[in-house]
Amino acid sequence: GDSVTQMEGPVTLSEEAFLTINCTYTATGYPSLFWYVQYPGEGLQLLLKATKADDKGSNKGFEATYRKETTSFHLEKGSVQVSDSAVYFCALSTMDSNYQLIWGAGTKLIIKP
Amino acid sequence: NAGVTQTPKFRILKIGQSMTLQCTQDMNHNYMYWYRQDPGMGLKLIYYSVGAGITDKGEVPNGYNVSRSTTEDFPLRLELAAPSQTSVYFCASSYSPNIQYFGAGTRLSVL
Repeated sequence: GDSVTQMEGPVTLSEEAFLTINCTYTATGYPSLFWYVQYPGEGLQLLLKATKADDKGSNKGFEATYRKETTSFHLEKGSVQVSDSAVYFCALSTMDSNYQLIWGAGTKLIIKP
Repeated sequence: NAGVTQTPKFRILKIGQSMTLQCTQDMNHNYMYWYRQDPGMGLKLIYYSVGAGITDKGEVPNGYNVSRSTTEDFPLRLELAAPSQTSVYFCASSYSPNIQYFGAGTRLSVL
């Protein structure tokens, strides 16, 4: 079945470092891909999305490009801040999943000042 | 701008007790969801609803029940609490299945 695999955390970086959080997927058909973020003590919120191959989603300085050839949707940010500390979830949806979200396990990001 | 409201925020139950987790949304969304999030794990879908009067099981429905009598409300019922139900529970709503809006969560401990 469809699935999402994220790199294990926690990922610990210093402020202003470059961030990559890897996400790969397995899906039949043509999934839509998402990154959600969960700040401490809060629910998840949509960070960015891409609905077709080569689309780039972006928000708050974060970017991710839908790569069909490598079945990947890696999250990147050029210069992280302490306020980016959170758990990041990659997710997909397809027609086969009735467009319900299939979630990765989440990657905890810790940014040190 | 209330969005999705969950109550209570925290609860401790004894084994075998029952409780209802409340979820209300004011965005007139048709889709609503209940997830559980275990420590260090991703989200697992318990139940979902595509509209008032319609509910369906997700990945981990055993030990839970839901109802959807109105568009706004989607309560989750635990009938006989067990330690395995210790988790953080999130309610979400959406106008389309992909873009979900989450509540702040209910942290439940069963001792």
